[in-house]
Amino acid sequence: GAVVSQHPSRVICKSGTSVKIECRSLDFQATTMFWYRQFPKKSLMLMATSNEGSKATYEQGVEKDKFLINHASLTLSTLTVTSAHPEDSSFYICSARDQGTSGADTQYFGPGTRLTVL
Amino acid sequence: QKEVEQDPGPLSVPEGAIVSLNCTYSNSAFQYFMWYRQYSRKGPELLMYTYSSGNKEDGRFTAQVDKSSKYISLFIRDSQPSDSATYLCAMSADTGGFKTIFGAGTRLFVKA
Repeated sequence: GAVVSQHPSRVICKSGTSVKIECRSLDFQATTMFWYRQFPKKSLMLMATSNEGSKATYEQGVEKDKFLINHASLTLSTLTVTSAHPEDSSFYICSARDQGTSGADTQYFGPGTRLTVL
Repeated sequence: QKEVEQDPGPLSVPEGAIVSLNCTYSNSAFQYFMWYRQYSRKGPELLMYTYSSGNKEDGRFTAQVDKSSKYISLFIRDSQPSDSATYLCAMSADTGGFKTIFGAGTRLFVKA
């Protein structure tokens, strides 16, 4: 299946700093990528949909100025958590839409980034 | 009513058992049906993908979609301890920007 990488896998930062997370589709081009947040033992919560070359679409309740998304190429999307606070600590997962190169029009997920804000 | 309903479990079975995982949904526009497996602290891994109705088999896994009943299933034969994970059903439609709706996930424990 298609491969999506995410970097870093784990980050610890101080309150007030900004953290950037990268999501890359390694063997296919993705015009659409998604960013999710997951709390322990909970399902995925979609934060935003990232479309290459255009502004991201944020879900209701997600602050666009706090979670900056950039999808500058067909293989890379970034999520920047600005002025991070302890309540932003979570597991962030990206996914990329593969429109058929692997035989299915579906999403493939990255391994996730665990963010801890002290 | 949630768009996708999935029993969160946990579901505990002995090794070698047949496992049945299910989801129901309310949106008749869904056409793409997926099952993902997620191990603790890892990203979800696509297990099965089905377009529209029907069955699909891949090794010990069988996915079934019944659009008339708005019901999908994942069967795991000869379950192994390594199958212990959370299984998420997911579905999407061509409309609405291909937003995928996920079930809550069922936690499965396979005991050796």
